[in-house]
Amino acid sequence: DAGITQSPRYKITETGRQVTLMCHQTWSHSYMFWYRQDLGHGLRLIYYSAAADITDKGEVPDGYVVSRSKTENFPLTLESATRSQTSVYFCASSEAATYEQYFGPGTRLTVT
Amino acid sequence: AQSVTQLGSHVSVSEGALVLLRCNYSSSVPPYLFWYVQYPNQGLQLLLKYTSAATLVKGINGFEAEFKKSETSFHLTKPSAHMSDAAEYFCAVSDRGAQKLVFGQGTRLTINP
Repeated sequence: DAGITQSPRYKITETGRQVTLMCHQTWSHSYMFWYRQDLGHGLRLIYYSAAADITDKGEVPDGYVVSRSKTENFPLTLESATRSQTSVYFCASSEAATYEQYFGPGTRLTVT
Repeated sequence: AQSVTQLGSHVSVSEGALVLLRCNYSSSVPPYLFWYVQYPNQGLQLLLKYTSAATLVKGINGFEAEFKKSETSFHLTKPSAHMSDAAEYFCAVSDRGAQKLVFGQGTRLTINP
């Protein structure tokens, strides 16, 4: 089905472990985004990408790494997870001309 | 840097009553403005957007918002609330021509029967 998907939907990991959250979109949108949602903070931008091999930092990039080798995929890696990275992570995509971002269902990550 | 303030983290209205969710932005240049809705355990869905000269913007599910430059506001309204409108609503802003969004903290809307 067309759309934007995230995997896994739920993840529990331990402090210090590396974890990768996956995001895949089927629209061939040029832009992709990663946000984290925390109570009282709304959504905050972690990283975004304007095209394959082009990425840039958002508001809260520390502790995260992204890559975009293909237009449709935008994985987010926590290199050494910390408890402060416990959150709900949303991926989104948009086409430049519309400025409308389409969101995935989210990944709930718990770091113990 | 752009910022957006949503007044009221929680709004409660009766079914059939007017819904008014407030959003103010900080920018000397009119930005692009958006309202998104989030239902429990789901991602965000675009309700409406302001990116052109039309200051009254109509969205999905009977919602609309009016851009008021003099008040730096973009409040969301719906004439008659329905139980299915219960959700969290986010106002977001971007610089004109930019793709990055800055979100407000959200307003949880509760509908009383």
